[in-house]
Amino acid sequence: QQQVKQSPQSLIVQKGGIPIINCAYENTAFDYFPWYQQFPGKGPALLIAIRPDVSEKKEGRFTISFNKSAKQFSLHIMDSQPGDSATYFCASQTGSARQLTFGSGTQLTVLP
Amino acid sequence: EAGVTQSPTHLIKTRGQQATLRCSPISGHTSVYWYQQALGLGLQFLLWYDEGEERNRGNFPPRFSGRQFPNYSSELNVNALELEDSALYLCASSWGVSYNEQFFGPGTRLTVL
Repeated sequence: QQQVKQSPQSLIVQKGGIPIINCAYENTAFDYFPWYQQFPGKGPALLIAIRPDVSEKKEGRFTISFNKSAKQFSLHIMDSQPGDSATYFCASQTGSARQLTFGSGTQLTVLP
Repeated sequence: EAGVTQSPTHLIKTRGQQATLRCSPISGHTSVYWYQQALGLGLQFLLWYDEGEERNRGNFPPRFSGRQFPNYSSELNVNALELEDSALYLCASSWGVSYNEQFFGPGTRLTVL
């Protein structure tokens, strides 16, 4: 009930490509869906987040698409750059419990 | 604005010992969260402290405990260390109406030999 399933596990794209990372959740009580970016040796950094009352949110080159009926959400990175190479985690949260339930992570490599 | 800070950066202990990890939240943040990032297990929620009280706990044994001090800093204690406790321990903080947004520190790498 608390799982968040993330795919793919790894992803390689060319510079300028649009990598897409997908997540699916089970708990309908989740009401906040953030994405985090983590570089080696660093803590996760909050990238962008969405609530279930909207279907899409854009911040710079990052876009979240949200499908409430399918209980799925995805991250799109426009015009990807080698500097975007990192591990990306989706997460879900309920306001009352505060804990973030994370997906298993996607290691993205953007080739120059 | 300084981010979340954690100390020490690395910690090496032997099985059965106790470990103490420390976290200072972003100034103005009152909630502190602890997560464990172990190889193969991903990021797992450990504990949430707010206003000095433990508010929520993840699926970890009681030998994982902590506290939050009046200045909102926090420490995580792990007793009777086991080999599988080797992981990166991450602290995050949030505040007030923006409680959803959790900002993470760089973590403490705990190695249990």
